[in-house]
Amino acid sequence: EIVMTQSPVTLSVSPGERATLSCRASRSASSNLAWYQQKPGQAPRLLIYGASTRATGFPARFSGSGSGTEFTLTISSLQSEDFAVYYCQQYNDWPRTFGQGTKVEIK
Amino acid sequence: EVQLLESGGGLVQPGGSLRLSCAASGFTFSSYAMSWVRQSPVKGLEWLSLISDGGGSTSYADSVRGRFTISRDNSKNTIYLQMNSLRAEDTAVYYCAKDGYYCTGTSCYNAFDMWGQGTVVTVSP
Repeated sequence: EIVMTQSPVTLSVSPGERATLSCRASRSASSNLAWYQQKPGQAPRLLIYGASTRATGFPARFSGSGSGTEFTLTISSLQSEDFAVYYCQQYNDWPRTFGQGTKVEIK
Repeated sequence: EVQLLESGGGLVQPGGSLRLSCAASGFTFSSYAMSWVRQSPVKGLEWLSLISDGGGSTSYADSVRGRFTISRDNSKNTIYLQMNSLRAEDTAVYYCAKDGYYCTGTSCYNAFDMWGQGTVVTVSP
């Protein structure tokens, strides 16, 4: 299976600052990569699909990039509602696998 | 309103069985594949199983193959997960998720674009 590794595990950022989250696949996931946002007590919510396309409801400060084995989620200017856990997930091969998550917390 | 609502979770002894349900509303249920995904502090998010839109095709993660069975009833807009031979490591929050399909230009992508609120399964003596 494709193992997804996210870094860092925790990212401490001040509101208004930029956050850069990384996701690495153990072998190519092509552009079949999604990002999800999860807040406490809630289900994950689709944020990015196709590695770079924002899902409905998310503002332009969220952007995704990458292909193959290296992917990045960037939040350009963190707002209070963005503090959450972010997961990447590949769907290039079965089983579909998730990273372990990056927690974005207030610095 | 577009919604997925899981039910059927609870406390079960090791070796026992449980059947989860997920009722969908607000979209054309029979047009989409559906999955079960679980989340635990130990394993994080883990995809378990998928069933095609018509129900004729299924797939499973190795960790549950042979023990869990996914099914759907399109007349009831509901999917199910029959879980047998439960183990302590199956303890988790179980989510159903809609398998969205998006095309941009010449490329098409899948993603879990809708999730239920989750149902808790605890396997313990």
